[in-house]
Amino acid sequence: QQKVQQSPESLIVPEGGMASLNCTSSDRNVDYFWWYRQHSGKSPKMLMSIFSNGEKEEGRFTVHLNKASLHTSLHIRDSQPSDSALYLCAASRNSNNRIFFGDGTQLVVKP
Amino acid sequence: GALVYQYPRRTICKSGTSMRMECQAVGFQATSVAWYRQSPQKTFELIALSTVNSAIKYEQNFTQEKFPISHPNLSFSSMTVLNAYLEDRGLYLCGARDRDRADTQYFGPGTRLLVL
Repeated sequence: QQKVQQSPESLIVPEGGMASLNCTSSDRNVDYFWWYRQHSGKSPKMLMSIFSNGEKEEGRFTVHLNKASLHTSLHIRDSQPSDSALYLCAASRNSNNRIFFGDGTQLVVKP
Repeated sequence: GALVYQYPRRTICKSGTSMRMECQAVGFQATSVAWYRQSPQKTFELIALSTVNSAIKYEQNFTQEKFPISHPNLSFSSMTVLNAYLEDRGLYLCGARDRDRADTQYFGPGTRLLVL
């Protein structure tokens, strides 16, 4: 079922540093990407969505999408310990289709 | 605001028995409900996508015979895990798509299933 691959599996960054997470889909028909964050013991919460080539920024979070390579990345600047969580990438062929998730990147931000 | 409730939050069942879990969307109308299972190792699997008035689509390795789903209206869905075994352990998440914001899928808190 795995159509979404994420890297790295885990990432440790110092407080105030930049965290960069990657995600690629193996399904060439994918058009929509989301990034979710899941804190320990909680359900995933959507961070950002991106459907067009380019970049989208919201606060400390920036998402890039390259549709040609089916690759998206999430960058967190000025990382905080509260950003420590499992970051999940999700992809779908269209807005009404099934959404598949990657296995996530476990981010730890060390004070 | 949009909220998704799941019940129960946690359940323990004996191997070979069945358990039913529910998902309720509040504050929006869910055009589709997806059921996922997150394993103890954090692997995230889509079980099935249920769209009101359409056939429920199950993913490979998941069947209606094992995970029957009911989705009678735009705010409620239920799924049963029949004949549960150890490999069925995990966090079962319900994701409801907002009809008015098709790019957003809201998750419930999940039902954690432990099988003894």
